[in-house]
Amino acid sequence: GQNIDQPTEMTATEGAIVQINCTYQTSGFNGLFWYQQHAGEAPTFLSYNVLDGLEEKGRFSSFLSRSKGYSYLLLKELQMKDSASYLCAVRETTTDSWGKLQFGAGTQVVVTP
Amino acid sequence: DGGITQSPKYLFRKEGQNVTLSCEQNLNHDAMYWYRQDPGQGLRLIYYSQIVNDFQKGDIAEGYSVSREKKESFPLTVTSAQKNPTAFYLCASSRQTGELFFGEGSRLTVL
Repeated sequence: GQNIDQPTEMTATEGAIVQINCTYQTSGFNGLFWYQQHAGEAPTFLSYNVLDGLEEKGRFSSFLSRSKGYSYLLLKELQMKDSASYLCAVRETTTDSWGKLQFGAGTQVVVTP
Repeated sequence: DGGITQSPKYLFRKEGQNVTLSCEQNLNHDAMYWYRQDPGQGLRLIYYSQIVNDFQKGDIAEGYSVSREKKESFPLTVTSAQKNPTAFYLCASSRQTGELFFGEGSRLTVL
């Protein structure tokens, strides 16, 4: 099984940068995903990391260190619409299904004017 | 447009009743999943199916049942054996990268 930890809530100002950390423990690692979920809606895919390093996609970047069991999601130039919950999810090497993920509880990001 | 359709969006159930949540996809994905979301907790896997006529239990399958008679459809039945069924239910499909495509969810409340 896996233990995935991320902060419960973070607050930041519009235009600023926020970094959401995620730590995990797993017997075998095969990829880490970040999803965004607005209140009452379905999660949407943001990023995928399987190798160490930084993946950049517009205002969002995701970093992975497999040796440390650590990832972060970086949100730059924050906009009000970025207020949402951000979910960290890990896939194990032993899984028999590509979409069988273990999710953290999510980090609620509140963007203030 | 391709996507996943869940229905109903809101559902109320009385004690002792079975209810079925519908999930249909037109993304031509082989794999489909049912996740449950409770406040303050991560999504938890109920059942998943890699191919038609085959499905596997996830981490919290007790009190639930599924079928996969067609590639496009993966309905979930919440039975009376599920002791705490009030939750937000999310259906998803995936391609081989593992990226999950979610439906809009079904919110079940037990009266």
